[in-house]
Amino acid sequence: DAGVTQSPTHLIKTRGQQVTLRCSPKSGHDTVSWYQQALGQGPQFIFQYYEEEERQRGNFPDRFSGHQFPNYSSELNVNALLLGDSALYLCASIGYNEQFFGPGTRLTVL
Amino acid sequence: ELKVEQNPLFLSMQEGKNYTIYCNYSTTSDRLYWYRQDPGKSLESLFVLLSNGAVKQEGRLMASLDTKARLSTLHITAAVHDLSATYFCAVDIYSGGGADGLTFGKGTHLIIQP
Repeated sequence: DAGVTQSPTHLIKTRGQQVTLRCSPKSGHDTVSWYQQALGQGPQFIFQYYEEEERQRGNFPDRFSGHQFPNYSSELNVNALLLGDSALYLCASIGYNEQFFGPGTRLTVL
Repeated sequence: ELKVEQNPLFLSMQEGKNYTIYCNYSTTSDRLYWYRQDPGKSLESLFVLLSNGAVKQEGRLMASLDTKARLSTLHITAAVHDLSATYFCAVDIYSGGGADGLTFGKGTHLIIQP
C-alpha cells in the first residue's frame, strides 16, 4: 500500500515561468489538500480537491490553480512565478479524521 | 479568521527533562492535529484530537485538548535527543464536519541536548 507520493522532488524555475506539481494520495483516500511552506514558517493552506472539484480555498491568488483526476491524484499549477513562490509544496491525503502529508516538492524560483 | 498560536517558538532542553508546548486557537474547531517535522523533511502525523478532554499518548509524547479554553498541549516526558524536531499544531479552518484545510501554528523548534 503506497503512501502519499509527490513529484518532482526538487524543481528550479525562473520568474514568469509556469510549474506543475503532482500528488497521488494514499489508497482509499479521495480528498487532497495542497499547502505552501516557506522556509522557517508553518504550512499555509492553498486549496482542497474532492470529487474532481475545488472544495475549499485559502488566501492564495488565482495564479495558483489545481486539478483532480478520476483516480484522485491531483496537480497544482502555478503561473507567472514570483521569487516569493519559492517554498516546499506539500500535498495532504485526507481520510476519516486523518491527514497524511507527502514528502513535498521543493520549488526554487530564480 | 482562525488564528493558531504556539509557544514557545524555540525550546532548548536537556535530556531527561519534562516540558510542555502550548497551542492556542481563536475559534471553535472540530479537530486539532499535532505534527512533527525534521529539517528538510515533510510532516509526520503524531496525534489527532477530536473532543474536549481528549488525551493521546505515544511513547514520551502526550497530547491533550481543552476545547472550552481553545488550548492543546503537547507534553514531553524524559526527553531524548531523537525528539529534537519542529512540532506544529494545526486546526481545521472550517468547523461543521468533513475534512478541511488546516491552519498551522508557526511551530516550536525543539532542541534536546545531551
